[in-house]
Amino acid sequence: GAGVSQSPSNKVTEKGKDVELRCDPISGHTALYWYRQSLGQGLEFLIYFQGNSAPDKSGLPSDRFSAERTGGSVSTLTIQRTQQEDSAVYLCASSARGIERTEAFFGQGTRLTVV
Amino acid sequence: AQSVAQPEDQVNVAEGNPLTVKCTYSVSGNPYLFWYVQYPNRGLQFLLKYITGDNLVKGSYGFEAEFNKSQTSFHLKKPSALVSDSALYFCAVRRTGANNLFFGTGTRLTVIP
Repeated sequence: GAGVSQSPSNKVTEKGKDVELRCDPISGHTALYWYRQSLGQGLEFLIYFQGNSAPDKSGLPSDRFSAERTGGSVSTLTIQRTQQEDSAVYLCASSARGIERTEAFFGQGTRLTVV
Repeated sequence: AQSVAQPEDQVNVAEGNPLTVKCTYSVSGNPYLFWYVQYPNRGLQFLLKYITGDNLVKGSYGFEAEFNKSQTSFHLKKPSALVSDSALYFCAVRRTGANNLFFGTGTRLTVIP
């Protein structure tokens, strides 16, 4: 496909379990973002990857959250010991180099529900 | 620090009437401004952007936005609303040299037939 792909589309997990969310960016896009969208809230920045540079992790809310990007392409967001407040839609986006001037393309998101 | 404000959670407009969705921003340096739309159960879609140049930018689906530096605003407009424009609209800003987009909390637009 030509767009950003995220999996799973929905995830229900028990409190305390770990979860992994996957993002396949658009081919050739060097920048990749993770955002979180909670009900009634705007988009909360989590982490940013650009090429081989060190990621900008300034938005990660706690040390239970981590992300990696392998081979400059696929990214995985991991949440350890999930809490109910982690329930949200997790959005991934990618954009081409020259990112300041380039729009980001978003995936459909993963809806995470922690019960 | 950078931030975006969308002062209206909800905007209702009659079909065929002009619509405006407001956005103001706060950023140091030159801003790059974006509008995105989110339809139900779908991801965010890019509508338009202001980078430099003409203050009036035109985007997808007949939308346009005007960059006003003195008022630090970037309101989204459309001359004639369609029922299919009903969705959640997000304004976003990035400052020069920053890594990420800062999003507003969104405005839900409802176009009434």
